[in-house]
Amino acid sequence: DQQVKQNSPSLSVQEGRISILNCDYTNSMFDYFLWYKKYPAEGPTFLISISSIKDKNEDGRFTVFLNKSAKHLSLHIVPSQPGDSAVYFCAASPNSGNTPLVFGKGTRLSVIA
Amino acid sequence: DTEVTQTPKHLVMGMTNKKSLKCEQHMGHRAMYWYKQKAKKPPELMFVYSYEKLSINESVPSRFSPECPNSSLLNLHLHALQPEDSALYLCASSPSDGSYEQYFGPGTRLTVT
Repeated sequence: DQQVKQNSPSLSVQEGRISILNCDYTNSMFDYFLWYKKYPAEGPTFLISISSIKDKNEDGRFTVFLNKSAKHLSLHIVPSQPGDSAVYFCAASPNSGNTPLVFGKGTRLSVIA
Repeated sequence: DTEVTQTPKHLVMGMTNKKSLKCEQHMGHRAMYWYKQKAKKPPELMFVYSYEKLSINESVPSRFSPECPNSSLLNLHLHALQPEDSALYLCASSPSDGSYEQYFGPGTRLTVT
């Protein structure tokens, strides 16, 4: 059973517009969420995270929103740039300290110039 | 130094070969991980080392043998692999002080012939 779901395998967005990537989870024990970005033939790069005690975290062009009651989080990228084209993985962790992450299947974002 | 390095970048091996993948970090992280990633799939956890001791083995076949010689190094010894073991092998590390983020290396692209 998939505990972290990214239901959109791909997304295309025009340069300069907003990209919204969605992630749903089923395990109510998850209390920390992360987004990773992955280019082909490279390891995932940590992008941004959010603790379950918050509903929003912002870092430059990237904002993550968490709706605990809906078990849903989203990553907003604005404005989108061609260099943002990559696969984005949502990941979750049930508690602190060295706990393996549970990854979603990823969403491939294409930003079109 | 804020990166995780992995060698080799690419490896081609026959099913009777013995080879090793290496991972190194100098961030003082006390947890290190091996993940396997197949094309268009999320990373799958294989092993977790915490304070140089194996803490999680996700039912990985014995043809994969991890080793943590010290807190900065993590090896994955490979023997008698199958073609279906061809994948990107990712190493990651995280601090042991409750930090959730895992930092990934670039991966080793393994092909078993």
